[in-house]
Amino acid sequence: EVQLVESGGGLVQPGGSLRLSCAASGFTFSSYWMHWVRQAPGKGLVWVSRINSDGSSTSYADSVKGRFTISRDNAKNTLYLQMNSLRAEDTAVYYCARDLSGPTDVWGQGTTVTVSS
Amino acid sequence: AIQMTQSPSSLSASVGDRVTITCRASQGIRNDLGWYQQKPGKAPKLLIYAASSLQSGVPSRFSGSGSGTDFTLTISSLQPEDFATYYCLQDYNYPFTFGPGTKVDIK
Repeated sequence: EVQLVESGGGLVQPGGSLRLSCAASGFTFSSYWMHWVRQAPGKGLVWVSRINSDGSSTSYADSVKGRFTISRDNAKNTLYLQMNSLRAEDTAVYYCARDLSGPTDVWGQGTTVTVSS
Repeated sequence: AIQMTQSPSSLSASVGDRVTITCRASQGIRNDLGWYQQKPGKAPKLLIYAASSLQSGVPSRFSGSGSGTDFTLTISSLQPEDFATYYCLQDYNYPFTFGPGTKVDIK
């Protein structure tokens, strides 16, 4: 079964850091580009970042550029999102998703990040 | 960044109704558009990619059309399990951008 499982979410103070992980199984992880998408409580979907299959190329939303870093470990079948200088507006459910040459066809269940003092 | 708009923002419909949702891009995006369905507390589900291609396993009552700046998602006969929020996504260039969503609820 193709599956993505996020972890690492939690409560963090403004200005703090958090690293999210996304464990992939059931497919050849190293062959796929991957994305992070977030959704603030009661709000719509917001694309955050993507990484190519070997990790050599990344893209970011303007709202997170310079603060968030996407990376991957293909040997561990795991995607990461390092989040620094967190703000209240980063509070959201964070989803990892597999790329289907553009759109994303497989999503995890999400992990919740809350930025609050 | 490319801006995506959707209309309507919400609609009420009955089982069996034909439902149409529109998505418009602020600039041409060829056919690089996907449609997603999201139910409360769940991850989004890809319905349509490349504007009109039905994702595997998605019922044929869902269809998409359009290219350039104007796109449409149609549900030919609304079923009880279709009550959800629908989002479009442009994957023409980075940053990818989603539309604000259309909530479909029961009349």
